[in-house]
Amino acid sequence: QQQVKQSPQSLIVQKGGISIINCAYENTAFDYFPWYQQFPGKGPALLIAIRPDVSEKKEGRFTISFNKSAKQFSLHIMDSQPGDSATYFCAAGSSNTGKLIFGQGTTLQVKP
Amino acid sequence: NAGVMQNPRHLVRRRGQEARLRCSPMKGHSHVYWYRQLPEEGLKFMVYLQKENIIDESGMPKERFSAEFPKEGPSILRIQQVVRGDSAAYFCASSPQETNTEAFFGQGTRLTVV
Repeated sequence: QQQVKQSPQSLIVQKGGISIINCAYENTAFDYFPWYQQFPGKGPALLIAIRPDVSEKKEGRFTISFNKSAKQFSLHIMDSQPGDSATYFCAAGSSNTGKLIFGQGTTLQVKP
Repeated sequence: NAGVMQNPRHLVRRRGQEARLRCSPMKGHSHVYWYRQLPEEGLKFMVYLQKENIIDESGMPKERFSAEFPKEGPSILRIQQVVRGDSAAYFCASSPQETNTEAFFGQGTRLTVV
């Protein structure tokens, strides 16, 4: 029940294309869903996050879509750039506990 | 406006030695979390602390691992009698008191056990 499943494991996109990463969770107690971006040798950086009272949140080229009934959420990166090449992690958390359960990560490569 | 500070960035220990990892949270943050990341894997929760209190240690191995967040000073993750399997990147994150889910991560400590 604590798992967060993330797909795909790796993704190659052409510059200017849309990158889509999907996550699914099981525990309905989760009420916070962030996405983190991690470059090699660096710590994860908070990219964008959503709570279940909204179905979509957009910040610049990054959009989270959230489907509460399906217990799924996804990250869309519009106009993908080579600088977006990194590993992306979805996570789910509960305000009660504070801890985050992370997906396995998606390695994104944006080709110029 | 410094972020979460972790030191050392890299740590090499021989099997059987002790490893001490330090984490200073962002200014104004009173919640600290430790996560472990094995190569090519996601982050696994280890422990959640507030000042002088361990709130949730459900992800900590039962033996050899301990964590503290004293009233003064950084949070410490301590690994006694390290083994090769402890080699990993250890990340600390902090969050402000009013929202204990929006967590900001440090650069991590990469522990290598030889």
